[in-house]
Amino acid sequence: DAGITQSPRYKITETGRQVTLMCHQTWSHSYMFWYRQDLGHGLRLIYYSAAADITDKGEVPDGYVVSRSKTENFPLTLESATRSQTSVYFCASTRSGTGNTIYFGEGSWLTVV
Amino acid sequence: KQEVTQIPAALSVPEGENLVLNCSFTDSAIYNLQWFRQDPGKGLTSLLLIQSSQREQTSGRLNASLDKSSGRSTLYIAASQPGDSATYLCAVMGSARQLTFGSGTQLTVLP
Repeated sequence: DAGITQSPRYKITETGRQVTLMCHQTWSHSYMFWYRQDLGHGLRLIYYSAAADITDKGEVPDGYVVSRSKTENFPLTLESATRSQTSVYFCASTRSGTGNTIYFGEGSWLTVV
Repeated sequence: KQEVTQIPAALSVPEGENLVLNCSFTDSAIYNLQWFRQDPGKGLTSLLLIQSSQREQTSGRLNASLDKSSGRSTLYIAASQPGDSATYLCAVMGSARQLTFGSGTQLTVLP
């Protein structure tokens, strides 16, 4: 039962570079999410996806791009990284229906210098 | 816009005490409310999920209640242990299955 995995777990990049954070889940959950967690702001939703090829913006989508060509993968791309995007990024997934637990990955620590 | 507030922000108790963590939310149109635990440097682990039609859920020493009309939930931890030390997060699920989180309660249980 591999669950939900994120890679890389830790990344340091320079301002202006493109960075992609990967998320893979083995449950065939229809919904997937990307959150960022920052001191003083808590967890905030960046993007989410209800199914393959369906994505939508969350609370803080600017500067990020997502895609979902396969149900099990939901990569998050920072097209031109900025220092304000230094954060911990969490991917999550859940089945359709409103009574299902959301499962989180272990997080990706990103530092933009 | 949904807002979730957790009180207190931090709590320190001696081992063995029963304790209550509070969560409030501004929009009662929710599908469910979930409580999570987060250890330092780790992801979130789901503890309890209460559907909007339910009033409470129990798992071991944990009991969570939900009063949707007043926008409140409590997490009760019985007979606290040092291993319970972590940050506890409350989150409500909206119509697109997205969660809105509170800022958390950092719990320290002293041996």
